[in-house]
Amino acid sequence: DTGVSQNPRHKITKRGQNVTFRCDPISEHNRLYWYRQTLGQGPEFLTYFQNEAQLEKSRLLSDRFSAERPKGSFSTLEIQRTEQGDSAMYLCASSGTGDQPQHFGDGTRLSIL
Amino acid sequence: QQQVKQSPQSLIVQKGGIPIINCAYENTAFDYFPWYQQFPGKGPALLIAIRPDVSEKKEGRFTISFNKSAKQFSLHIMDSQPGDSATYFCAAWEAAGNKLTFGGGTRVLVKP
Repeated sequence: DTGVSQNPRHKITKRGQNVTFRCDPISEHNRLYWYRQTLGQGPEFLTYFQNEAQLEKSRLLSDRFSAERPKGSFSTLEIQRTEQGDSAMYLCASSGTGDQPQHFGDGTRLSIL
Repeated sequence: QQQVKQSPQSLIVQKGGIPIINCAYENTAFDYFPWYQQFPGKGPALLIAIRPDVSEKKEGRFTISFNKSAKQFSLHIMDSQPGDSATYFCAAWEAAGNKLTFGGGTRVLVKP
């Protein structure tokens, strides 16, 4: 399977804990995006990388959130001191340059107890 | 502030019917409009996309109509099947912003 891969698929944690998600994009794609999707809503943009450079961050991305793409391949999204409001599906997408279509992974569902 | 407005929120049709989903946008800098299909527990999958210089595009049973002057576009699913039951999202891309802005989604149920 050469699609976008996300791990874990589901994460349950207690409020206040830190969590980290991983995304492996389609290998030839140099752009990688993170989105958040809450129940019944469309995905909302969080941040975007071109190769290893993080070029844009949404205002939704508080300082408890950090994303990295160290070698321009896989990416990680970390949430520190999780809150109830962080419960959502976190989606990763990748694409080529420009308006090339974004291909999504199946997401990581975060549940905060 | 919702930059892409999608309607209806849900729709039910009989097999063979034509669900129609509408989207409207305000930002004239948007220049690429994809539609995504999402099944429960899965990520959105790209269905079909259109640019504003084209008024209609067909791929299989899916057709996008685009009205640039009205800043509206719609998805028609021809000869709908129960397997088309899913949530559909319109989206808009702005090159300067390097991100997709999604509509709120339409849950479509196709009854056998």
